[in-house]
Amino acid sequence: EAGVAQSPRYKIIEKRQSVAFWCNPISGHATLYWYQQILGQGPKLLIQFQNNGVVDDSQLPKDRFSAERLKGVDSTLKIQPAKLEDSAVYLCASTDTRASYEQYFGPGTRLTVT
Amino acid sequence: RKEVEQDPGPFNVPEGATVAFNCTYSNSASQSFFWYRQDCRKEPKLLMSVYSSGNEDGRFTAQLNRASQYISLLIRDSKLSDSATYLCVVTTKNFNKFYFGSGTKLNVKP
Repeated sequence: EAGVAQSPRYKIIEKRQSVAFWCNPISGHATLYWYQQILGQGPKLLIQFQNNGVVDDSQLPKDRFSAERLKGVDSTLKIQPAKLEDSAVYLCASTDTRASYEQYFGPGTRLTVT
Repeated sequence: RKEVEQDPGPFNVPEGATVAFNCTYSNSASQSFFWYRQDCRKEPKLLMSVYSSGNEDGRFTAQLNRASQYISLLIRDSKLSDSATYLCVVTTKNFNKFYFGSGTKLNVKP
């Protein structure tokens, strides 16, 4: 079974630029999560989708971050404009809640904002 | 106050040692609990779920104390390969929200 795919794996941008991350969850997983993990901290949930609907985006900085999952499969997370403090690893995870609540994580995108 | 708190460590132990981590959570209505393992520069992976009755998986034992609002992870006979960061995860009712702790770093030395 293929795991959660993310791209790009690394990205370096200057502050005020825009960036987008892509995630392809495990086939059949209806629930998709985007997390931000700053060095030395645990993952912080940014947004949770159930199919193509948003379940929770309470910690998403909506003035600069946006995310979508139009067809209930792939998802993109965008930052516009980026700030220095956005430097982090952005992790995508998916779950098949019919089977269990284990979250399967992708390898992450490591973002550096200079 | 953070939803989930962990001692960041690091815990430096010799091979073969027994080591225990605790994690406290603030919401008494929290429903489910997990331990995830995260290797350096890798993604988190589920280590084990934590049940009210406690559960064991080989050298790993997880316990839940709802009255004191903490969960624990015990690792017996530590191996070099156990070196990682251990993340405590707490969910709200109906698994609507997942809260991760900051992780406890374990270094197992030869």
